[in-house]
Amino acid sequence: QSVLTQPPSVSAAPGQKVTISCSGSSSNIGNNYVSWYQQLPGTAPKLLIYDNNKRPSGIPDRFSGSKSGTSATLGITGLQTGDEADYYCGTWDFSLSAVVFGGGTKLTVL
Amino acid sequence: QVQLVQSGSELKKPGASVKVSCKASGYTFTNYAMNWVRQAPGQGLEWMGWINTNTGNPTYAQGFTGRFVFSLDTSVSTAYLQISSLKAEDTAVYYCARDPSLVVVPAATYMDVWGKGTTVTVSS
Repeated sequence: QSVLTQPPSVSAAPGQKVTISCSGSSSNIGNNYVSWYQQLPGTAPKLLIYDNNKRPSGIPDRFSGSKSGTSATLGITGLQTGDEADYYCGTWDFSLSAVVFGGGTKLTVL
Repeated sequence: QVQLVQSGSELKKPGASVKVSCKASGYTFTNYAMNWVRQAPGQGLEWMGWINTNTGNPTYAQGFTGRFVFSLDTSVSTAYLQISSLKAEDTAVYYCARDPSLVVVPAATYMDVWGKGTTVTVSS
């Protein structure tokens, strides 16, 4: 059971937009920054978003992040088949003194 | 370029030990914390803990105390994960991941560079 809750799967058609939610509590998302990771099949995770809404160099602006209260959201616009992957949210939990991840969301681009 | 190169796959018998290496290049090793993350087959990411590359002080997450040891050799910019008394449930991919923020501002932690992962299989 993950500390952060994500939907197991989402799907959308190519070119469309999708959002992935990440729900936590005041001990994690509510008071800390959220990051998002993309894991393509058979590869290592890759940083997509940090500090709630910042994109590392090289990440296209089709990917965006936001946070409100104890929830965070990853948005992906202009979906491509190459975006099919597992997506994870992560943050610090000060009650656990640990990094915590969501259980992951599998994105299918139909 | 900045990269973390991990050692190759391991096949071990129950009760044995394994040592995974993570060699950093392209940046100053001691300027960033190093995390270890486990991913069991078909499962999500699980944070194992981190090591302060300046002081060598390790911090272990719940569930990763006792049989798990993080260490460093700063002379070769390498972090290590050693697992002893291996069990079948240790079968997983183990990742090292650099963290620009964990030492100073844990609230802003994130992992910006990841190794490709080391598969450890424990089977008799």
